[in-house]
Amino acid sequence: QSALTQPASVSGSPGQSIIISCTGTSSDVGGYNYVSWYQQHPGKAPKLIIYDVDNRPSGISNRFSGSKSGNTASLTISGLQAEDEADYYCSSYMNPNTLGFGGGTKLTVL
Amino acid sequence: EVQLLESGGDLVQPGGSLRLSCVASGFTFSSYVMSWVRQAPGKGLEWVSSIGGSGYSTYYADSVKGRFTISRDASKNTLYLRMNSLRTDDTAVYYCAKNTSGQYSFDYWGQGTLVIVSS
Repeated sequence: QSALTQPASVSGSPGQSIIISCTGTSSDVGGYNYVSWYQQHPGKAPKLIIYDVDNRPSGISNRFSGSKSGNTASLTISGLQAEDEADYYCSSYMNPNTLGFGGGTKLTVL
Repeated sequence: EVQLLESGGDLVQPGGSLRLSCVASGFTFSSYVMSWVRQAPGKGLEWVSSIGGSGYSTYYADSVKGRFTISRDASKNTLYLRMNSLRTDDTAVYYCAKNTSGQYSFDYWGQGTLVIVSS
């Protein structure tokens, strides 16, 4: 059982926008601005795409954006592309001094 | 270029021990928190443990506390994970990861090393 709750799957057509949610509690997502998002293609290591709720690392497309409202964080991918098909994981700092991940969301580009 | 290279994964019997290593390069190793994250076959990511830059502060997931020990050797730019009393549910790919400056994200990952716990 994962610490954070994500939908198991989402899908969208090329060019569309999709949103992946990540729900926690006031002790993790809601209490700290330390939510991150990772993209993982099959057989590959995860890749950081959003950190500290809404920051993009250097080299990450601005099609990826993050936000948070209360105990729920969201990842938005706009202008969906075939290469975006992957698993996406959220993570959050969890008091005290631990980190938790969501169960992951499989994105299918139709 | 940041590189993280794990090694040490193997097939081990339940109750056995194993030590994983991760050699880091391309950044000032002692300046960053380092972590281990695992992924069971077909499952999601699970944070395992983190260690401060100096090596004095260590943190563990409840699932491994008391069985796993994280450590680092600045002279060798190497991160370790000593795993004792291994259980079948410890079977996973173990990733070494570099934490961001803000500490609570992982901006670089190794390729992973597979640990299989089975009789």
